[in-house]
Amino acid sequence: TQLLEQSPQFLSIQEGENLTVYCNSSSVFSSLQWYRQEPGEGPVLLVTVVTGGEVKKLKRLTFQFGDARKDSSLHITAAQPGDTGLYLCAAQSGAGSYQLTFGKGTKLSVIP
Amino acid sequence: DTAVSQTPKYLVTQMGNDKSIKCEQNLGHDTMYWYKQDSKKFLKIMFSYNNKELIINETVPNRFSPKSPDKAHLNLHINSLELGDSAVYFCASSQVLGDTQYFGPGTRLTVL
Repeated sequence: TQLLEQSPQFLSIQEGENLTVYCNSSSVFSSLQWYRQEPGEGPVLLVTVVTGGEVKKLKRLTFQFGDARKDSSLHITAAQPGDTGLYLCAAQSGAGSYQLTFGKGTKLSVIP
Repeated sequence: DTAVSQTPKYLVTQMGNDKSIKCEQNLGHDTMYWYKQDSKKFLKIMFSYNNKELIINETVPNRFSPKSPDKAHLNLHINSLELGDSAVYFCASSQVLGDTQYFGPGTRLTVL
């Protein structure tokens, strides 16, 4: 079983600040996904990264997949209260594996 | 339009009872999943159901039994409920195995 370690577990910041959350593993993944989950709702896919070193941007969110495809980061610029939520990374190991393994998430609170 | 829907949203029941949670997707997807999210927000796959083939996670007790009357529905039946079954259960679907998964809003099960 591949283990995805997310850090930090909790993060509380003021509106307008920048932040980075991390997703690390000792395993190599064929792809890695980031989800955001708001209270009382299911996770919603933000992005999928596939290629080592890949960087994807979604407005103020920047996602990076590590060169060795073992880790990923999510950077948020000028955080807003609407960014509040649980950020989950999930990965498939590849080699025909369809199963998603999730990290335990980073709970982000952006204070107005 | 709700892509993946679950009923009920909340379910409170006594230990030892049998209960079912229903899931429907209107996306025309071939694959559906059940996940369990515990109190620490850890999301873990329970079952995958692809084109009438059920893929069982070995760590799931056999008190849990998914049933798929057709491709658009995957229900979860739980026998002899235990306190440890209290969690939020999410249904998800994807076009095919390994493709992007879309999650339902979750069912919060509380066993007293």
